[in-house]
Amino acid sequence: RKEVEQDPGPFNVPEGATVAFNCTYSNSASQSFFWYRQDCRKEPKLLMSVYSSGNEDGRFTAQLNRASQYISLLIRDSKLSDSATYLCVVNSGGSNYKLTFGKGTLLTVNP
Amino acid sequence: GAVVSQHPSRVICKSGTSVKIECRSLDFQATTMFWYRQFPKKSLMLMATSNEGSKATYEQGVEKDKFLINHASLTLSTLTVTSAHPEDSSFYICSATSTVSDQPQHFGDGTRLSIL
Repeated sequence: RKEVEQDPGPFNVPEGATVAFNCTYSNSASQSFFWYRQDCRKEPKLLMSVYSSGNEDGRFTAQLNRASQYISLLIRDSKLSDSATYLCVVNSGGSNYKLTFGKGTLLTVNP
Repeated sequence: GAVVSQHPSRVICKSGTSVKIECRSLDFQATTMFWYRQFPKKSLMLMATSNEGSKATYEQGVEKDKFLINHASLTLSTLTVTSAHPEDSSFYICSATSTVSDQPQHFGDGTRLSIL
């Protein structure tokens, strides 16, 4: 089983649609969780951290289920500018804060 | 927010050349810096973890003599690709974090390396 596994995608949606990304992780000792977005040929940029209680930032909602080792990201009212690759990222803990990246899911929002 | 600067952003050079990439944390002290490599349409792969003042920890399959890492200060880490060959062409990205483990890492802009 891969350490961090995401929907393979790609997703093509119209503007205004709601999109859900799913991610599972294999290391039950993982301590912190993030969603990053990466535009083509650019570096990853932090979108949001993910907390056990769930958290929301505008149109973006992230959920974490530790029992199922599952993370999700929901984008509501999608915009053209949301088009990017979304990376599920897990910090396995320990003293070196090592991140493990999912392969990413490409989202294209169409006009 | 935290800013990480990476330089150069683009390198094109001949096979056999050694290339040095710098990663700087501009507004925080980065006790740990990470070096990643990303091939087209692939995920970021961690190459090594660099702690200030100590030797870097390399991931399995990454040659430490090929990819020299120096982390001499809390704001600067360098990656040197020695005697680069075409198969080393890739997107190299650094990231930095402070001592708090649940803080996200902040990425540099990346360096696109092309070896002819």
